[in-house]
Amino acid sequence: SYELTQPPSVSVSPGQTASITCSGDKLGDKFACWYQQKPGQSPVLVIYQDTKRPSGIPERFSGSNSGNTATLTISGTQAMDEADYYCQAWDSSTVVFGGGTKLTVL
Amino acid sequence: QVQLQESGPGLVKPSGTLSLTCAVSGGSISSSNWWTWVRQPPGKGLEWIGEIHYSGSTNYNPSLKSRVAISVDKSKNQFSLKLSSVTAADTAVYYCARDPDYGGNSHFDYWGQGTLVTVSS
Repeated sequence: SYELTQPPSVSVSPGQTASITCSGDKLGDKFACWYQQKPGQSPVLVIYQDTKRPSGIPERFSGSNSGNTATLTISGTQAMDEADYYCQAWDSSTVVFGGGTKLTVL
Repeated sequence: QVQLQESGPGLVKPSGTLSLTCAVSGGSISSSNWWTWVRQPPGKGLEWIGEIHYSGSTNYNPSLKSRVAISVDKSKNQFSLKLSSVTAADTAVYYCARDPDYGGNSHFDYWGQGTLVTVSS
């Protein structure tokens, strides 16, 4: 079965750029999307189709996907961005989530 | 604005069947969208359970396929989840969500608030 691997945690200082990676076999040949989840809340879609932002998502969120790695980048990270982030892709009629990355804004 | 709301028992006995319903408002379930169930055990990550189209077509997580059934009720604008032979490992927050582009570009743009289901005697 297809697997997506994320680092368990990433730390960033306020105002700096945070990068969260998601690795999978030939992931660049698929579409990747990203969700933000804050404690006690439902996930929120922040990036889909590798690079697209849904309406209402700040421009500081961006995505890329090439080779075996998709990356979520948060520019000018704010305290409110502290959350768990999950990548997701589709393979062989199955939706797959990464294990999640806890982003800490120090 | 599409809204989704999960409902169902918060406590299920081991070996029993978990049954949840997701009511869709602000849009028709009989559209080109697919409708999905995702769960999250306490303190853990997201797990896709399966999806359904209003036509009745379904796709399930292979690891759960033998125990899962997702159905749709167009007249009530809702869809449902049944998970049989539950154990404590099925204790989780269960979310319903909308997938506007099932397939290679599958992604979930609207989510319900989630409902905690505990499996315990």
